[in-house]
Amino acid sequence: DVLLVQSGAEVKRPGESLTISCEASGYDFSAYWINWVRQMPGKGLEWMGRIDPSDSFIDYSPSFQGRVTISTDTSLKTAYLRLTRLKASDTATYYCARHYSSANPLDFWGQGTLVTVSS
Amino acid sequence: EIVLTQSPGTLSLSPGERVTLSCRASETIHTRFLAWFQQKPGQAPRLLIYEVSTRATGIPDRFSGSGSGSDFTLTISRLEPEDFALYYCQLYQTPITFGGGTKVEIK
Repeated sequence: DVLLVQSGAEVKRPGESLTISCEASGYDFSAYWINWVRQMPGKGLEWMGRIDPSDSFIDYSPSFQGRVTISTDTSLKTAYLRLTRLKASDTATYYCARHYSSANPLDFWGQGTLVTVSS
Repeated sequence: EIVLTQSPGTLSLSPGERVTLSCRASETIHTRFLAWFQQKPGQAPRLLIYEVSTRATGIPDRFSGSGSGSDFTLTISRLEPEDFALYYCQLYQTPITFGGGTKVEIK
């Protein structure tokens, strides 16, 4: 079975950094892009960017380029989302999701990681 | 970047009713890379429809998608209790964009 399992909830202070992980199983990790999606409390879904694990090519949404870094470790079948200089407005649930290509939908999603940024 | 606008924001309906959700794009979409997701509280989104009208694996046939150009719809033929949720449309050509969502709530 295809599974994307994300790391657990985090509580951070403003200005800190954090890394969220997304471990894949049940499929060829290198064959599918991993996307990251943000959902602020009570709000809709926002695409942050995606990475092709086969060559580490990355597409960032212009809205998130700058404080966000997406990476993978193919030996661990894991993708990462790093957020720096955290602000209270980064409080959100972050999801990873895979798709085969731009011509294919995001078909499997991680369970989400709740990040709370508070002083 | 294409903007997707969903309407209405909230629908109050009863089980058994038929519901049509709208997703309008800010410009013509020349591909069929339009999907619909369902999201329940505390859960990740679930893929319902892709390529405008293709049901994802395991999705009941009461869900159907249609549209072209800049106007797309998700129809639920008869609402079941488990269908009360948030629904998002999504354009999955890069940059990926989501609509703002429509909440289907119990009347």
